[in-house]
Amino acid sequence: TQLLEQSPQFLSIQEGENLTVYCNSSSVFSSLQWYRQEPGEGPVLLVTVVTGGEVKKLKRLTFQFGDARKDSSLHITAAQPGDTGLYLCAGGGTGNNRKLIWGLGTSLAVNP
Amino acid sequence: KAGVTQTPRYLIKTRGQQVTLSCSPISGHRSVSWYQQTPGQGLQFLFEYFSETQRNKGNFPGRFSGRQFSNSRSEMNVSTLELGDSALYLCASSLSAGGSWGNTIYFGEGSWLTVV
Repeated sequence: TQLLEQSPQFLSIQEGENLTVYCNSSSVFSSLQWYRQEPGEGPVLLVTVVTGGEVKKLKRLTFQFGDARKDSSLHITAAQPGDTGLYLCAGGGTGNNRKLIWGLGTSLAVNP
Repeated sequence: KAGVTQTPRYLIKTRGQQVTLSCSPISGHRSVSWYQQTPGQGLQFLFEYFSETQRNKGNFPGRFSGRQFSNSRSEMNVSTLELGDSALYLCASSLSAGGSWGNTIYFGEGSWLTVV
């Protein structure tokens, strides 16, 4: 069974601080997606990484896919209150297994 | 273009009742997936429909069922509700089926179900 573990589960920081959240698995994924979910809304796709070692930047957010495509990280620089939300990672299956595998998420609170 | 629309947004049901939730996908999207989200279990996949056919199914009991209509709109039904069914039910639509990287899924705002 493929599992994705996200850490930390909860994170509360002050505005302006940097942070990194992690998404780890013992399984290989064809791709890895990061979503942010704000209270009362559905998750919104932030980025998809496909190639091992790939790094993508989205303004102050930096996403990295591990070389072996088993893990990923999300780094936020100078966090702002608008970054508050639940960050979810989802791994794309390989071969005939095309279901997304979801982590439980990291709940981030950025305090002004 | 309009996003994924789910109705109702909030509902309260009693144990033993049944409930039907509705989802209208983004225009042109033929795949609709349903998820259950709870604080303890996270986002759990229920099932996926594409062109009116169920393509994938998660590990939920038979009380959970769904269907998709010819216009791609989808409904999910939960019969004999239990307290543990209280959750946010999310619908997601995409152009094609499956979780491949090129197939972006778009979520609705969800239906909050409380079973008392």
